[in-house]
Amino acid sequence: DQQVKQNSPSLSVQEGRISILNCDYTNSMFDYFLWYKKYPAEGPTFLISISSIKDKNEDGRFTVFLNKSAKHLSLHIVPSQPGDSAVYFCAAVVIQGAQKLVFGQGTRLTINP
Amino acid sequence: SAVISQKPSRDICQRGTSLTIQCQVDSQVTMMFWYRQQPGQSLTLIATANQGSEATYESGFVIDKFPISRPNLTFSTLTVSNMSPEDSSIYLCSVGLAGLYNEQFFGPGTRLTVL
Repeated sequence: DQQVKQNSPSLSVQEGRISILNCDYTNSMFDYFLWYKKYPAEGPTFLISISSIKDKNEDGRFTVFLNKSAKHLSLHIVPSQPGDSAVYFCAAVVIQGAQKLVFGQGTRLTINP
Repeated sequence: SAVISQKPSRDICQRGTSLTIQCQVDSQVTMMFWYRQQPGQSLTLIATANQGSEATYESGFVIDKFPISRPNLTFSTLTVSNMSPEDSSIYLCSVGLAGLYNEQFFGPGTRLTVL
């Protein structure tokens, strides 16, 4: 039972344009969502998060949008840069209890010059 | 944030043997976790490492196969026992820091190949 899904395994975007990564979830108990970025041979690095009581959170070039009714969130990167090329994981957590993160399958983003 | 190191960074092991992976954090943390990332797949939580008590395992993971120790608030080990090729994965430890919006910080991972 995949509670967090990233349906696009890969995405290719031209440098300077907007990258949009999508994530869907099924568990309405999730109350916090996070995006991680992972380079090869490194652990995931926290990027940005959003509480379920909000619909948008922005940090520099990164913006996360949450649509609770659709159980959907997206990460926008603008403008995209070559250093953004990595695998991006969406994750969700129920704050009450053990704070277990549930991850999506990841989307490999490639920024083309 | 926290600085997390793991040893070894990678290893190639024979079927039937065991490997112990170490995770060291540069500060005391309450919550430590162990994850597995199988080739081409997502990160899956194996267990929560509890200081001073037995680890809490997720469905599908058992203590006999993945014994975990956590002797203090900065260190934990995960052992992969009686390995088979299906155990070939990246194993990652992570820590949770209170008050930091629930995000977890990850170590660099241990890439395990079982022949």
